[in-house]
Amino acid sequence: EVQLVESGGGLVQPGGSLRLSCAASGFTLSTYAMSWVRQAPGKGLGWVSTISGSGGSTFYADSVKGRFTISRDNFRNTLYLQMNSLRAEDTAVYYCAKGPYDITGYQRGFDYWGQGTLVTVSS
Amino acid sequence: SYELTQPPSVSVSPGQTATIPCSADALPKQYAYWYQQKPGQAPVLVIYKDSERPSGIPERFSGSSSGTTVTLTISGVQAEDEAEYYCQSADSSGTYWVFGGGTKVTVL
Repeated sequence: EVQLVESGGGLVQPGGSLRLSCAASGFTLSTYAMSWVRQAPGKGLGWVSTISGSGGSTFYADSVKGRFTISRDNFRNTLYLQMNSLRAEDTAVYYCAKGPYDITGYQRGFDYWGQGTLVTVSS
Repeated sequence: SYELTQPPSVSVSPGQTATIPCSADALPKQYAYWYQQKPGQAPVLVIYKDSERPSGIPERFSGSSSGTTVTLTISGVQAEDEAEYYCQSADSSGTYWVFGGGTKVTVL
């Protein structure tokens, strides 16, 4: 059974940093791209970042480029999101999601999601 | 910037059919995906690659594509289908993923 468990959320002041983690189990992490998707309170879903299975390619939404860094440790079956220079508008539930493609390039969407971790940026 | 447009809400009676359109300029090149999200829960993938249904998703959920519009159809709507539905795709580069604003489906 695929499981994704996020951790690391919390309250942080504007300009501060936070590192999110996502522990993956039930599948071979290295064979899938992995992503972070966020949802501000009462708002819709917003793609944040994606990393290829090997970690060699990373992609970011314009709103976080230069401030957030996605990474992965396939041996520890863990995905990370380092968030720096946080702003009030970064306040959201951050979801770890499997996908949107596998090592062959097959597009399967974000087919599994964690339960999310809340990040609140406020003074 | 690349955007996907969905209606904010759709209302449907039990047993009837709900259709949710999603439109954007790049859709003819990139596949579309649909997610169901109930309050307080994580999203669930219900349609991938325009019209494929993941295992475990009821047959009443179907997807279609025509030109720049993709559509999620829920046939024989049940009370448990009341939820927010999001379409998702990528821009023409294929490496910038985007979600629609979401459609709230209300079962009357």
